[in-house]
Amino acid sequence: SQKIEQNSEALNIQEGKTATLTCNYTNYSPAYLQWYRQDPGRGPVFLLLIRENEKEKRKERLKVTFDTTLKQSLFHITASQPADSATYLCALDHTGGFKTIFGAGTRLFVKA
Amino acid sequence: GAGVSQSPSNKVTEKGKDVELRCDPISGHTALYWYRQSLGQGLEFLIYFQGNSAPDKSGLPSDRFSAERTGGSVSTLTIQRTQQEDSAVYLCASSLIGSGGPSTQYFGPGTRLLVL
Repeated sequence: SQKIEQNSEALNIQEGKTATLTCNYTNYSPAYLQWYRQDPGRGPVFLLLIRENEKEKRKERLKVTFDTTLKQSLFHITASQPADSATYLCALDHTGGFKTIFGAGTRLFVKA
Repeated sequence: GAGVSQSPSNKVTEKGKDVELRCDPISGHTALYWYRQSLGQGLEFLIYFQGNSAPDKSGLPSDRFSAERTGGSVSTLTIQRTQQEDSAVYLCASSLIGSGGPSTQYFGPGTRLLVL
């Protein structure tokens, strides 16, 4: 069955460092991979989308890589800030797919 | 409003009662999704609407769960004879669907359901 794995352990880093979160998947060939941010008590908010034919995507302090051979995406936040503390979810989609599959998310804590 | 809205924001009910959860998507969004999120867990897909039809109901946990969408806009998720295991946050999302394009979803704040 299709499976998405994100590190269930929280990631604790110091302000100013780069945070790297991992998303691995099996039994799936997504056309798109998305990253969302979720704060406590709120719904997820879309951050970045990367297509299967793209290796890397950047947006301000965020960078996403997508390796379809390794079946892995890495999500980087450079110059991290305490305000970046949240849960980050990866989500996979087929081409024109209407059923997005979400990972369980990784909790990030950035200490001042 | 500019975003997806859901009501009520919180619902406490007794086991065996029926509940209705409402979602107002972003105007013009043709696709609407319902998810369930239990404490510390990921999003569990429940059902998807394209317009008023639901081509994928595979995620509904049991026949106690049903959903409808009218006028291509507002959707209602109904849970009949609620059980304690139904307690969770129910999230609604909407998106524009282009031909073969990705479905970036915009989420509402969720309805927190507690079944006593």
